[in-house]
Amino acid sequence: AQKITQTQPGMFVQEKEAVTLDCTYDTSDPSYGLFWYKQPSSGEMIFLIYQGSYDQQNATEGRYSLNFQKARKSANLVISASQLGDSAMYFCAMREENYGGATNKLIFGTGTLLAVQP
Amino acid sequence: ETGVTQSPTHLIKTRGQQVTLRCSSQSGHNTVSWYQQALGQGPQFIFQYYREEENGRGNFPPRFSGLQFPNYSSELNVNALELDDSALYLCASSLVVAGTETQYFGPGTRLLVL
Repeated sequence: AQKITQTQPGMFVQEKEAVTLDCTYDTSDPSYGLFWYKQPSSGEMIFLIYQGSYDQQNATEGRYSLNFQKARKSANLVISASQLGDSAMYFCAMREENYGGATNKLIFGTGTLLAVQP
Repeated sequence: ETGVTQSPTHLIKTRGQQVTLRCSSQSGHNTVSWYQQALGQGPQFIFQYYREEENGRGNFPPRFSGLQFPNYSSELNVNALELDDSALYLCASSLVVAGTETQYFGPGTRLLVL
């Protein structure tokens, strides 16, 4: 069965420093996608970054990068130059990339609460 | 801004009542998914609709039902509310960007069942 594990309930980081949020996953499907979402206290889930299982390079989106280690089944999020506005819950999610009309549901981890300190 | 809106933002109901939550997505987003997020947990998949047909369901009882309309709006209905139904309910509409389908979420509806 698919599973996402986020082992860090909470993290502190100093403003302007980099931080890594851990995510490991389990799936038997060879084709899957990995996502990171940010959830501020307002509740909305904000899409940050996507990594496909067949992508050769690690995904990057501005200050966000995904450290994808397929053999270890890990997909850690790296946030560079942290800002106060980065303080939020961060969720890792996975989707089996079944095409042909199959459900593209997301499986989420339990999240990591990031606090950026000035 | 994702262009996905939900109403109401907050709702208080009592056990046994029925509730309807609404979601409106952008034109062209023909897939909508609903998730339940209990306090301190990650979102759990309820079901998904594609072109007005249910296209998959998570581990939720039949008292959770939905509809999708041609105008890209959607509803989540919950009958016979239970205390454990208290949660943040999120809808997400899907858009294919650079060859991959990405789900964009609305701000959610916070439901409290007393």
